Amino acid sequence: NAGVTQTPKFQVLKTGQSMTLQCAQDMNHNSMYWYRQDPGMGLRLIYYSASEGTTDKGEVPNGYNVSRLNKREFSLRLESAAPSQTSVYFCASRRLNRGDNEQFFGPGTRLTVL
Amino acid sequence: AQSVTQLGSHVSVSEGALVLLRCNYSSSVPPYLFWYVQYPNQGLQLLLKYTSAATLVKGINGFEAEFKKSETSFHLTKPSAHMSDAAEYFCAVSDPYSKLVFGAGTILRVKS
Repeated sequence: NAGVTQTPKFQVLKTGQSMTLQCAQDMNHNSMYWYRQDPGMGLRLIYYSASEGTTDKGEVPNGYNVSRLNKREFSLRLESAAPSQTSVYFCASRRLNRGDNEQFFGPGTRLTVL
Repeated sequence: AQSVTQLGSHVSVSEGALVLLRCNYSSSVPPYLFWYVQYPNQGLQLLLKYTSAATLVKGINGFEAEFKKSETSFHLTKPSAHMSDAAEYFCAVSDPYSKLVFGAGTILRVKS
């Protein structure tokens, strides 16, 4: 049981390049989330998927797209990377039918955009 | 809308001293509250959570937090700090079925 896994762990891009961050969970969770973490700002929600087949914008969606490929996988795509997207990206998942909303986090992807 | 304020972006304590990390929340409905810990270069790990049961919540690694509705607070404490407690701590709030809202985080430094 690996929990939530993310690839890659590190990535350096040039401005304008594109890339996809991958996330997978093996806990049979229905909901999945993408956050970015910046110093002094905590974690901010980019996009989430309440269940397979649905996606919704979070607090900071501009410049990103997501795909819920199946119940296990939720990817985040940067179509044209900008230096402002330099950040640490975390994927998380949550059990359905648990009102406490506890989320389980992956180890993160450190992205630098030059 | 819900929000979280963590007082103090950096807290420094001596090994063996009391740890107190402050969290105040705003919520229009009875909240669910969480404390997460992040060790360097790692993801977030749940320390403890309040989900409308007992107001004093015990978590892992000797941490506990008390929900005080009148003060809209959920402060995190540990009686005696260890060097291994050095990390960043995040308070978060949600209502039963909505998204988590995180505070800005508090970096805890433990001095020997």
